[in-house]
Amino acid sequence: EDQVTQSPEALRLQEGESSSLNCSYTVSGLRGLFWYRQDPGKGPEFLFTLYSAGEEKEKERLKATLTKKESFLHITAPKPEDSATYLCAVQGRSGGSYIPTFGRGTSLIVHP
Amino acid sequence: DADVTQTPRNRITKTGKRIMLECSQTKGHDRMYWYRQDPGLGLRLIYYSFDVKDINKGEISDGYSVSRQAQAKFSLSLESAIPNQTALYFCATSDGGTAKNIQYFGAGTRLSVL
Repeated sequence: EDQVTQSPEALRLQEGESSSLNCSYTVSGLRGLFWYRQDPGKGPEFLFTLYSAGEEKEKERLKATLTKKESFLHITAPKPEDSATYLCAVQGRSGGSYIPTFGRGTSLIVHP
Repeated sequence: DADVTQTPRNRITKTGKRIMLECSQTKGHDRMYWYRQDPGLGLRLIYYSFDVKDINKGEISDGYSVSRQAQAKFSLSLESAIPNQTALYFCATSDGGTAKNIQYFGAGTRLSVL
C-alpha cells in the first residue's frame, strides 16, 4: 500500500524567511510524485511532477526535489501570497490503476 | 468558465435525506474522481471512473454511489446522508492518454449533514 507522510503539519514563516516542506513516501514502483497548492475554499492546483530521484523542478520561489524516499518543497524568500496548504501525492504501479495517494498536507502561513 | 465545475458549492441537508453532487468538465479528459477532504485527514478517494462504462470504488466508498452519465459528467450520491459525511467534496479529472496523470480539481462542494 502506498503511503505519504508530510511534515510539518503547519509552518509559520516571516516574509523572506526561507524553509522546506517534507514529503516522505513508500510506494511500489514510483510513477510520479506530485505537489499541489490549495488555497482556502478552493480545489488543489497542480504545481510539479517529479519522476525519478535527483530530479528538480522550479517555479518562481518554489523548488521541488526528489530522492528515493522523500521529496522537499523549498520555499525561498516567501511572500504572504505563498500562504496556502501544500499537498504531496505519489502514484505507484500497484494494481495497474495508477491512482495517486495524497498526504495530509502542510499548512503554510507567511507573515508580512 | 471553470474547466471542472461542481454544483452545488454549498449544501445543508438533514440526516436520512438523499442528495446528489454533480461534476461536469470541459477539459475533454476521460478520467474522473470524487474525493472528500476532512480537516487533518487530507484527500481520500471515494470513487473513480476511467471511462463512461468504468466505475471503481476508492478507499471510502461505503454510503456513497456514483453515476457517469457521459464522459463530461460524473455525479456523487449519498443515498441516506449521515452527520459524519459532513465534509468538503472535490471532483477531479485527468487525461489517461498521457503518462503524467495530473489531476485538475473543481472548487469543491461544502456539505453539512445535520
